[in-house]
Amino acid sequence: GENVEQHPSTLSVQEGDSAVIKCTYSDSASNYFPWYKQELGKRPQLIIDIRSNVGEKKDQRIAVTLNKTAKHFSLHITETQPEDSAVYFCAGKPGNQFYFGTGTSLTVIP
Amino acid sequence: SQTIHQWPATLVQPVGSPLSLECTVEGTSNPNLYWYRQAAGRGLQLLFYSVGIGQISSEVPQNLSASRPQDRQFILSSKKLLLSDSGFYLCAWSVLRSWSEQFFGPGTRLTVL
Repeated sequence: GENVEQHPSTLSVQEGDSAVIKCTYSDSASNYFPWYKQELGKRPQLIIDIRSNVGEKKDQRIAVTLNKTAKHFSLHITETQPEDSAVYFCAGKPGNQFYFGTGTSLTVIP
Repeated sequence: SQTIHQWPATLVQPVGSPLSLECTVEGTSNPNLYWYRQAAGRGLQLLFYSVGIGQISSEVPQNLSASRPQDRQFILSSKKLLLSDSGFYLCAWSVLRSWSEQFFGPGTRLTVL
């Protein structure tokens, strides 16, 4: 089955700096890659996603890049703000199942 | 619009007691349904998923079971809870389409004492 690895597990940045979270996947059948943000005690919520036929997608301060050849995708957050502090999960989807990374705890220091 | 409900929101149960968590989805038909468990400070562990009524796939061996008695209802059960069953249980749904996100319910926080 699919194996999604995510790095780093924790990340601290100064407010206004950029944050980058990286994921790799193993199953070439994965064709959809969502990113979720989970605030403490809350449910994960989708912040951005990318399909396998696209190399990059941007939504305001958030962008995701996908390299199918290398089987890795990354989340980029620019101009970070304290409210960006949360746990972020990447996922790959080769069929009906979603395979999640282990999460990155992002702390934005004011 | 679609909504997903889970109850109860919190639950404290003694070791060895039974468990029943319920999840229902509104506003969609034939959803894929999922149960995840999240231990404190940890990632999302897929427990069960279902593509239709009565069709359940299990990802990990455990003392939990799942059932889907109706199209938009997904139930997580246990006959005897273990301490290790404590965690945050999330139900989720998605449509049967490759490029489709997953929507999570509000979760149930279970503490087994």
